[in-house]
Amino acid sequence: DTGVSQNPRHKITKRGQNVTFRCDPISEHNRLYWYRQTLGQGPEFLTYFQNEAQLEKSRLLSDRFSAERPKGSFSTLEIQRTEQGDSAMYLCASSLTSGRKETQYFGPGTRLLVL
Amino acid sequence: GEDVEQSLFLSVREGDSSVINCTYTDSSSTYLYWYKQEPGAGLQLLTYIFSNMDMKQDQRLTVLLNKKDKHLSLRIADTQTGDSAIYFCADLWETGANNLFFGTGTRLTVIP
Repeated sequence: DTGVSQNPRHKITKRGQNVTFRCDPISEHNRLYWYRQTLGQGPEFLTYFQNEAQLEKSRLLSDRFSAERPKGSFSTLEIQRTEQGDSAMYLCASSLTSGRKETQYFGPGTRLLVL
Repeated sequence: GEDVEQSLFLSVREGDSSVINCTYTDSSSTYLYWYKQEPGAGLQLLTYIFSNMDMKQDQRLTVLLNKKDKHLSLRIADTQTGDSAIYFCADLWETGANNLFFGTGTRLTVIP
């Protein structure tokens, strides 16, 4: 399977704990995005990388969130001191830019529940 | 930012056509997308349309774009029970991070 993969698929944690999610994009895709989706809503943009550079962060991304893409391949999203409001589906997407065309392919998501 | 709106629910009978509508506000949109999400799953790209096109057909899917009214629709011909899912319209926000702005999604229920 050469699609976008995410691990873990589900995570249950207690408030105050740290969690880390991983995303493996489609190989050779230069852009990688993180989105958050809460129940009944569409995904909302959090941050994106072009190769290893983090180029944009949404105001939704508080100081407790950090993302990395150290070698321009896989990415991690860490949430420190989790809060109940962090419960959501975290989606990763990747794309290969070609001129102005941008087609993002999504992974299956990591569903986080903070108790 | 950008605002993308969709109606929340649509029910159709198996075999009928479904039409899911979307409106957006960004007049500089170049690409608009339709994604499908089944319960507990990620988003599956269905199709996209470039803004200089009025229509795009891909097997059972037809996308219509009215750029003047900023209205996008997805028609699914011969709707099947396997088409039951949430459908998201998304606009590529090129003036920002090249991220997608999504609507709230339309839950399509296909009645056998």
